[in-house]
Amino acid sequence: KAGVTQTPRYLIKTRGQQVTLSCSPISGHRSVSWYQQTPGQGLQFLFEYFSETQRNKGNFPGRFSGRQFSNSRSEMNVSTLELGDSALYLCASSLVEPTNEKLFFGSGTQLSVL
Amino acid sequence: AQSVTQLDSQVPVFEEAPVELRCNYSSSVSVYLFWYVQYPNQGLQLLLKYLSGSTLVKGINGFEAEFNKSQTSFHLRKPSVHISDTAEYFCAVSSSGGYQKVTFGTGTKLQVIP
Repeated sequence: KAGVTQTPRYLIKTRGQQVTLSCSPISGHRSVSWYQQTPGQGLQFLFEYFSETQRNKGNFPGRFSGRQFSNSRSEMNVSTLELGDSALYLCASSLVEPTNEKLFFGSGTQLSVL
Repeated sequence: AQSVTQLDSQVPVFEEAPVELRCNYSSSVSVYLFWYVQYPNQGLQLLLKYLSGSTLVKGINGFEAEFNKSQTSFHLRKPSVHISDTAEYFCAVSSSGGYQKVTFGTGTKLQVIP
């Protein structure tokens, strides 16, 4: 069974650009969560999607957005990139309910904003 | 609102020595607690979780954790560490009573010294 797949693995952008990251969950998993990981800050929750609906959202500005498709694949978009957006973006999937289920993480997309 | 505190950002320990990684949480309702491990250049993997029942939870790779409600703690322990345990460890919490996001701590880097 394939794991959670995130693409691309690395990304370099300049300030003001926008970026789209992709996440394919484990087959059969319907919940996809996104996290931003930076040194010293741990994982900061961005949002969670289930059946194409955003169920929960973290405290990030509106420049951060996401969506989920009918096949459960998810994308997140960051517009008007800032230097502080440089981070590892992790996607995690679970069957239905991340609250009490095991989260399966991808290897992440390392975003560098210059 | 829920939160997690991992006071130790780094813990050095000699090989075959015991280790304890500390985690304290805050929540106004019943909680679910997790420990995840992240090896270099990889996503996170679940070590163990506490949902209910016995307060002593055993996980993979010889790790265990004890839920202490009065002290709002969920410390991770291993009686004898190996070089391969060198990684970053994250404590996480979510709340019962309807869907809640999973909140992660800032992580503790365990460095096993040969």
